[in-house]
Amino acid sequence: AQSVAQPEDQVNVAEGNPLTVKCTYSVSGNPYLFWYVQYPNRGLQFLLKYITGDNLVKGSYGFEAEFNKSQTSFHLKKPSALVSDSALYFCAVWKTGGSYIPTFGRGTSLIVHP
Amino acid sequence: GAGVSQSPSNKVTEKGKDVELRCDPISGHTALYWYRQSLGQGLEFLIYFQGNSAPDKSGLPSDRFSAERTGGSVSTLTIQRTQQEDSAVYLCASSPPRKGGGLETQYFGPGTRLLVL
Repeated sequence: AQSVAQPEDQVNVAEGNPLTVKCTYSVSGNPYLFWYVQYPNRGLQFLLKYITGDNLVKGSYGFEAEFNKSQTSFHLKKPSALVSDSALYFCAVWKTGGSYIPTFGRGTSLIVHP
Repeated sequence: GAGVSQSPSNKVTEKGKDVELRCDPISGHTALYWYRQSLGQGLEFLIYFQGNSAPDKSGLPSDRFSAERTGGSVSTLTIQRTQQEDSAVYLCASSPPRKGGGLETQYFGPGTRLLVL
């Protein structure tokens, strides 16, 4: 089984401040973890993924995420937020060896204020 | 190169009518997924195609929903006798052939916004 939780429906941050969008997961075994971003009236776009190796993963647009196995978390971070980062962010998990269908979180709306 | 395309971008229909939604995946991608996105509900998996294998239909919410993929490329999602609760954005995604047995990144289309009156 696999599940993912995004505990915040909305995150507000001022432009220039660091941002964090939280994600926790539950799988029996090794996970693949993904972050996607959705801009208004668009499909989801891939940001980054963790498969194995370094716990800190760097992705597109200056985003990064840290895999923490003990806390079963994969929080998305960016050192300095831009207004253009405002969008809906989805975390997804896939259990290695499972059916090739990832489970997505409910999404977190990030609002960056000027 | 061309991404995943979906048509129509918007569809308004009356309750009880049938609708067909189309997805053109990225050329060479072997996996194709359909999802439904309702307000505040995240992404709900509907169906998954992989090459010539039988599709995984485990996410289809009722027998009013069906999908096919012709020639391993274009896919059509059909909703028969539409209901108001079917109103949502329907997203299609495709993935390249698997390398090493892991899950590949999904590439999403812009979606079809369906409104059932």
